[in-house]
Amino acid sequence: AQSVTQLDSQVPVFEEAPVELRCNYSSSVSVYLFWYVQYPNQGLQLLLKYLSGSTLVKGINGFEAEFNKSQTSFHLRKPSVHISDTAEYFCAVMRGSNYKLTFGKGTLLTVNP
Amino acid sequence: DTEVTQTPKHLVMGMTNKKSLKCEQHMGHRAMYWYKQKAKKPPELMFVYSYEKLSINESVPSRFSPECPNSSLLNLHLHALQPEDSALYLCASSTGTGVVQETQYFGPGTRLLVL
Repeated sequence: AQSVTQLDSQVPVFEEAPVELRCNYSSSVSVYLFWYVQYPNQGLQLLLKYLSGSTLVKGINGFEAEFNKSQTSFHLRKPSVHISDTAEYFCAVMRGSNYKLTFGKGTLLTVNP
Repeated sequence: DTEVTQTPKHLVMGMTNKKSLKCEQHMGHRAMYWYKQKAKKPPELMFVYSYEKLSINESVPSRFSPECPNSSLLNLHLHALQPEDSALYLCASSTGTGVVQETQYFGPGTRLLVL
């Protein structure tokens, strides 16, 4: 069975500090990985995705993630966060020929002034 | 335009009511999804429609009845719900071609409260 583990349920940081949100996946086959963000009382917005090719993926709002096959990780990073980045972040994995997205439990990023 | 719209934004219903949630997209996508998200939890897949046909039903109780009348619209009919069905209901769509570039785009959700 395919699963996604987000190691931190909450990550508090100060404004302008760097942040890394961790995501590990388990799968024996090719995977396609996504990061979504959910602002309070809103739907999910796609931040970035890894389908193939370059292991460093750049997304919206200054976020990037690196696919590491040997460590089965897809950690999300931002060099300098803003108050407006406060939100829930979900890592998700999809099987190659299937429409099913499996989400991690989410990481609440709180950016403090 | 990568927008998925959902109506209503909020819905309060009693356990004997019948109501419907609506989802619409005009991106030419042929796959549409319903997810249920409880507070502080990740979204859980309920149904997938591909080319207007139900392709995945994640063992959802029959009090939830999906309908896809055309390629742009997806409805979720609700009947005899329970208080534990209170949640945020999210709609999503994707191209539906089944290739690896399948990316799901989500709507803002309908927040449902069952009394």
